[in-house]
Amino acid sequence: EDQVTQSPEALRLQEGESSSLNCSYTVSGLRGLFWYRQDPGKGPEFLFTLYSAGEEKEKERLKATLTKKESFLHITAPKPEDSATYLCAVQTTSGTYKYIFGTGTRLKVLA
Amino acid sequence: GAVVSQHPSWVICKSGTSVKIECRSLDFQATTMFWYRQFPKQSLMLMATSNEGSKATYEQGVEKDKFLINHASLTLSTLTVTSAHPEDSSFYICSAPTGLAGAYNEQFFGPGTRLTVL
Repeated sequence: EDQVTQSPEALRLQEGESSSLNCSYTVSGLRGLFWYRQDPGKGPEFLFTLYSAGEEKEKERLKATLTKKESFLHITAPKPEDSATYLCAVQTTSGTYKYIFGTGTRLKVLA
Repeated sequence: GAVVSQHPSWVICKSGTSVKIECRSLDFQATTMFWYRQFPKQSLMLMATSNEGSKATYEQGVEKDKFLINHASLTLSTLTVTSAHPEDSSFYICSAPTGLAGAYNEQFFGPGTRLTVL
């Protein structure tokens, strides 16, 4: 069965304290892996798409990487405005393009 | 990025009434849209796939007669919660991929609709 797991469930960082969020996946075939940011009471905001192992994408303080089993979202020198829930989703080669979502990581960055 | 809107952003209704939520792709056409439900501090749960010009595909355990989906045009899908009850209270979010079926595509999400059933 296709599965996506995110860790940790919650993370508290001091401003400037870099860290990484993990998204592990077990799927029959990976078409793409997607990272989103969700603020409370809002819809997810698209961050990155990764298609193949070894690929990396960057945007401001965020960098996403992909291996054959997992993806990392690295946050460098975070600021309080980076506080949000980060969701990862995978799309498989099953013929549809439904997402399988992970449970998310709730990030809190303290000033 | 592509923009998806939802209306209304929040709605309060009495038990037994029906509520319609609209999802629109504003700057692209979407032959497929997805409807999700999200409970507090939980991830998104896919309810159904909305297909323009054909019937929606529902996920296992989702009542199709309860949650009516209509994809009337290439930019509009609607979700109607029929005979709503308090347990239907939730945050409903729609999304749309921007490209052709079968291709790698990011989904862009609407801002969500908070439904409260009294």
